[in-house]
Parts: sequence; structure tokens; C-alpha cells
Amino acid sequence: AQSVSQHNHHVILSEAASLELGCNYSYGGTVNLFWYVQYPGQHLQLLLKYFSGDPLVKGIKGFEAEFIKSKFSFNLRKPSVQWSDTAEYFCAVLTTDSWGKFQFGAGTQVVVTP
Amino acid sequence: DAGITQSPRHKVTETGTPVTLRCHQTENHRYMYWYRQDPGHGLRLIHYSYGVKDTDKGEVSDGYSVSRSKTEDFLLTLESATSSQTSVYFCAISFQGGDYGYTFGSGTRLTVV
Repeated sequence: AQSVSQHNHHVILSEAASLELGCNYSYGGTVNLFWYVQYPGQHLQLLLKYFSGDPLVKGIKGFEAEFIKSKFSFNLRKPSVQWSDTAEYFCAVLTTDSWGKFQFGAGTQVVVTP
Repeated sequence: DAGITQSPRHKVTETGTPVTLRCHQTENHRYMYWYRQDPGHGLRLIHYSYGVKDTDKGEVSDGYSVSRSKTEDFLLTLESATSSQTSVYFCAISFQGGDYGYTFGSGTRLTVV
């Protein structure tokens, strides 16, 4: 069965620190990859997505992610976080045979302290 | 987001009662989904729809049913609510089977006591 693993469940860091969140998936075929963010009390919003082409994808709010096919990974990064980046982050995978159904990771709760 | 609304936003219900959650969209998107969000599990798909009267089960469909009689409405029913169904429920829509991502509703927080 397909699965999506997010390595860290909770991350605490200070403002201006760099952030990297890991995401690995298990599927051998073609995938579309997504990162979503959920701010406290809100719904999920799309941060960025990868379909094909340049494996380094830039999203909103200074986030970027790198697709490494050989490692089945799609890690999210931000060079310098702000307090407003406190949120839960979800990696999601869409496969060619999933009929539009995403497989989500369990999420990583990120807390940025002032 | 303006194109998708969920109702109610919060509900407390008793064990054994039926509950219906509504998702309404104004985007005319073909695909609609119901997910539940629980700590440590992320989002798990309950049911989805790929058109009017076309629905199918997701990975956690037991105890839930859905209906879609119009493009804009996707209803989720808990036939006999249990405490294990206490969760936050999100509806999502997509234009082309998820290729461009989902748009999520604001969620319904359901508590079964």
C-alpha cells in the first residue's frame, strides 16, 4: 500500500532559524507531490506542488521543496522562519492510479518562538 | 475560501444519533472529498465523489455514508454516531481529480458524547 512518512511530528525553533521538514513516500510510479500548511484554527492551504520538470519547487511565503526521485523524498525548506510560520505542515502524494485521492502524511507541528 | 462552505462549523451530538454534515461549493468542480483529521493520523479519506450520484469509499468509510444529488452539495452522514467519530471533518474540492491540488473547506468540529 502507498504511504507517506513525515519524519518529525514536532519541531520547535527560533525566529530566523532555517527549517527543513522531511517527507518520504512509497510508490514506484509517477507521482505529484504537495505540501499543505494549516495555521491554527484554519483549513489546509496549498504551499507548493511538484508535477514534473525542475525538482526544486518554489512556493508561497518563501518556502521551497526539493524532489529527489532516487530517495522518494520531497523535503520542505525555508531559510529563515518567522513567528507567523507556526503551523502544521502536511506532505501529500497523488499517484497516477489514485483517482485524485491524496495520501497525506501525519503532519509536522512547527512552533516558531520569538 | 469563498468557493466552499461547510456546515455546521461545530456540533456536539450524543452517541447513537445520526448526524449529517454538509459541504457546499460554488466552483462547479466535479470532484469532492470528505476527510477526517485526527492527531497523529493526518487526514484520512472517508468518501469521495467524481460526479452527481457517483461516489466511492475511502480508507475509513465504515460508519459513514454520503450523497451527492447536485454538483454543488456533498453530504456526509454518520449513521449512528460513536465516540470514535469525534474528529474534525474537512471537505475538499478539485477541478481535475486533484492534479492541481485541493481547495479545502473550513472544517466541522464534531464531538460525540
